[in-house]
Amino acid sequence: KAGVTQTPRYLIKTRGQQVTLSCSPISGHRSVSWYQQTPGQGLQFLFEYFSETQRNKGNFPGRFSGRQFSNSRSEMNVSTLELGDSALYLCASSPNPGKDTQYFGPGTRLTVL
Amino acid sequence: AQSVTQLGSHVSVSEGALVLLRCNYSSSVPPYLFWYVQYPNQGLQLLLKYTSAATLVKGINGFEAEFKKSETSFHLTKPSAHMSDAAEYFCAVSVPTGNQFYFGTGTSLTVIP
Repeated sequence: KAGVTQTPRYLIKTRGQQVTLSCSPISGHRSVSWYQQTPGQGLQFLFEYFSETQRNKGNFPGRFSGRQFSNSRSEMNVSTLELGDSALYLCASSPNPGKDTQYFGPGTRLTVL
Repeated sequence: AQSVTQLGSHVSVSEGALVLLRCNYSSSVPPYLFWYVQYPNQGLQLLLKYTSAATLVKGINGFEAEFKKSETSFHLTKPSAHMSDAAEYFCAVSVPTGNQFYFGTGTSLTVIP
């Protein structure tokens, strides 16, 4: 089976712009979670989607949003980018939410200038 | 609520020495526990997981971890460190009835030749 894929792998944006990141889960996985990873804060949970519904949301401002499509692919969007949004954004998929092992993609490295 | 504490954000060992990475968890119900490894500029890769079967869990690359309920610990060990083990290691907890993973802050392992 193909693993979790994330596109693009690298992005450079300027402050105030918006960005959309994409995640394709492992075939058959219906749950997709997003994390932000920075050197100072470590791995921080953004949100989780299951069957096109957001089930959980972390403590991030409303500028961060996401969605999941009927084929389980997910996108996350960040509007009005700030310098502090520079991070590695990781997507993870699992068959079901919660206890199932999460399988991670390689991440999207976002740099905000 | 669940949480994970990883003691020691940086650990250095000599090549061939024992690797011990510490993880303590907090959970109101029997947890599922995971260790992941992250190499530079990559996503997280599952090393091993505990899901209430045998308390000693063997994973990939010679790593193992022991679930100790009385100590609420799930420490990761490897008898002999290799240079290729240098990476960031994350401990995570979830619960069977829950819907979110909780990650520790990570431990960076350096292997000295």
